[in-house]
Amino acid sequence: GQQVMQIPQYQHVQEGEDFTTYCNSSTTLSNIQWYKQRPGGHPVFLIQLVKSGEVKKQKRLTFQFGEAKKNSSLHITATQTTDVGTYFCAENTGTASKLTFGTGTRLQVTL
Amino acid sequence: NAGVMQNPRHLVRRRGQEARLRCSPMKGHSHVYWYRQLPEEGLKFMVYLQKENIIDESGMPKERFSAEFPKEGPSILRIQQVVRGDSAAYFCASAQGAKNIQYFGAGTRLSVL
Repeated sequence: GQQVMQIPQYQHVQEGEDFTTYCNSSTTLSNIQWYKQRPGGHPVFLIQLVKSGEVKKQKRLTFQFGEAKKNSSLHITATQTTDVGTYFCAENTGTASKLTFGTGTRLQVTL
Repeated sequence: NAGVMQNPRHLVRRRGQEARLRCSPMKGHSHVYWYRQLPEEGLKFMVYLQKENIIDESGMPKERFSAEFPKEGPSILRIQQVVRGDSAAYFCASAQGAKNIQYFGAGTRLSVL
């Protein structure tokens, strides 16, 4: 079945450093959503990307959707300890359909 | 405007017992999804329901697992004769509209002894 891979699996940064996680698929993605899950918490929706080459920003977070719609990235500028958690991409194949989650990237930020 | 409500938050069962997990979707949402998350892993889709209908159960194990979303009341995920491998966090999400943005509940952490 469809597999969405994320790299890296884990990243440990010092506060203030940048962080990027990449989401890759072997097939064309309909659209991509990003979620954040804090340790012991539940996934929280961050953003949805639909168009080829789309770039969206939320404060220190920048989301990109590849031109071929086979990959996506999330970049965090100047990480803070509040950024700690696991970031998942998820393919949303359309209206009222299941999400296929990526493998996730766990981010640890230390002072 | 209450979010997605799941209960119980934690559930402990012995092998062979039944587990019932409840989910009340966000107000106005008619689409309910159940996902399972094993420790240190991603979320895996189990089942998608609308009121009184199972729309997609492609992620549900063939045996012991069932789900419903009755006309009145919460959606229920039922696991019969639980085994240790069923220990996981079970998340419910609800959505409404074409964008399919899913809002997750806090989850039920099931531990099977």
